[in-house]
Amino acid sequence: DGGITQSPKYLFRKEGQNVTLSCEQNLNHDAMYWYRQDPGQGLRLIYYSQIVNDFQKGDIAEGYSVSREKKESFPLTVTSAQKNPTAFYLCASSIAQGAHGYTFGSGTRLTVV
Amino acid sequence: AQSVTQPDIHITVSEGASLELRCNYSYGATPYLFWYVQSPGQGLQLLLKYFSGDTLVQGIKGFEAEFKRSQSSFNLRKPSVHWSDAAEYFCAVGRDDKIIFGKGTRLHILP
Repeated sequence: DGGITQSPKYLFRKEGQNVTLSCEQNLNHDAMYWYRQDPGQGLRLIYYSQIVNDFQKGDIAEGYSVSREKKESFPLTVTSAQKNPTAFYLCASSIAQGAHGYTFGSGTRLTVV
Repeated sequence: AQSVTQPDIHITVSEGASLELRCNYSYGATPYLFWYVQSPGQGLQLLLKYFSGDTLVQGIKGFEAEFKRSQSSFNLRKPSVHWSDAAEYFCAVGRDDKIIFGKGTRLHILP
């Protein structure tokens, strides 16, 4: 079955360390997205990519980086510059542009210890 | 500026009662409209979407939503809720390259 796989489901990071969250899709979708979710804040867009080797900053890109070397993969790196990284991270994908709705992964919960 | 407002942060209804979750949006043109549901610790699942045509759209799990252009609203309804409907619900709007999400409404079900 086609879908989006995020790994790991839970991730713990020490302060000052970079960490990379994985997102893989086999839906043949062109566009991929990373969101951060905090209680009461809804979903906030970090980065998105509409095509391989191209991506754009979202509303809260500071302290994060991404790459899109393959259509199927869109990893997110949370760098030490992100001051408050503890959150639930969601990856999504869509056909071409986002207007047809997104398919979401099951999320990664990142905790800084 | 584009925005989505879900005025109710929490809603509590009794099992078997009807449900309406409100959503208002601000957008330059008629956007595409969506409702998603999220169970705790999970990703979001698409309930239904509106692109054009009939303003009353049917979705999965017995949900429906009505687009009202004059009110810039896209409210979600269900005639009779089940305990398994307890979750967080997100309204979203979009048209071009990305979708904007509301902050969500958490639905609680009383037995």
